[in-house]
Amino acid sequence: DGGITQSPKYLFRKEGQNVTLSCEQNLNHDAMYWYRQDPGQGLRLIYYSQIVNDFQKGDIAEGYSVSREKKESFPLTVTSAQKNPTAFYLCASSMTVEAFFGQGTRLTVV
Amino acid sequence: QKEVEQDPGPLSVPEGAIVSLNCTYSNSAFQYFMWYRQYSRKGPELLMYTYSSGNKEDGRFTAQVDKSSKYISLFIRDSQPSDSATYLCAMEETGGFKTIFGAGTRLFVKA
Repeated sequence: DGGITQSPKYLFRKEGQNVTLSCEQNLNHDAMYWYRQDPGQGLRLIYYSQIVNDFQKGDIAEGYSVSREKKESFPLTVTSAQKNPTAFYLCASSMTVEAFFGQGTRLTVV
Repeated sequence: QKEVEQDPGPLSVPEGAIVSLNCTYSNSAFQYFMWYRQYSRKGPELLMYTYSSGNKEDGRFTAQVDKSSKYISLFIRDSQPSDSATYLCAMEETGGFKTIFGAGTRLFVKA
C-alpha cells in the first residue's frame, strides 16, 4: 500500500538530548513537509523540501534540522536547542494540492 | 493577525444536525481552499478542496468559498457520530509550496 510512514509513534526525550523522527514515503512525491501541532494552534510548518538535497525553513525552524538525501526519506532532528519540543509532529508529502500525512509522532520531554 | 483564523470550538451537536464550520483569511492571493479531517491521534486526511470561488458538494459535505469576504465554510448535512473529529481549513497560493492551516475546530456529534 502506498503511503507515509512515521516512526516511532511515541518518543520520549531527556533534557539536552537530540532525537530524530523518521518519515518515509512510497508515493513518489517530490515535496515533503514537517509540521508541528500543538493544541489550539493548528499545524505549523517546520521545514519543507521540494526536491532531493534541497530544503527550506518553515515558520518555526529554530531548534530543528532535516536532511533529504533520498526522495523517499525526510528525517527530522529535534535538537537540544529546541526549548519546548513536546508536541505532535506530522510529516506529509504532496505532488499537487493534496497533502498526504503520516500518523504522527508524539514527542514528550521527560 | 494570523493569515487564517478558525474557531477551535469545541462544537457539540446532536446526530442529524447540519453543521457549519468556518474560516476567515487575510491573504487575497490564496486560490486553493481545502478542508482536512483529523481523528484523534491520527494524521489529517483531505476531505475536499475548491479552486477560487464557488461551491463544491461531495455527499453530505459542501464547501463554499466567498473570496470577496475572504470567508470559507464547510457544511455537513445529517451529521453522524462518526463525523466527530477535528476539521482543519487550509489554503494555498497558486504555484505555492506552503499550505497555511487554520487552528482546527473540534466537532462532537452526539448519538
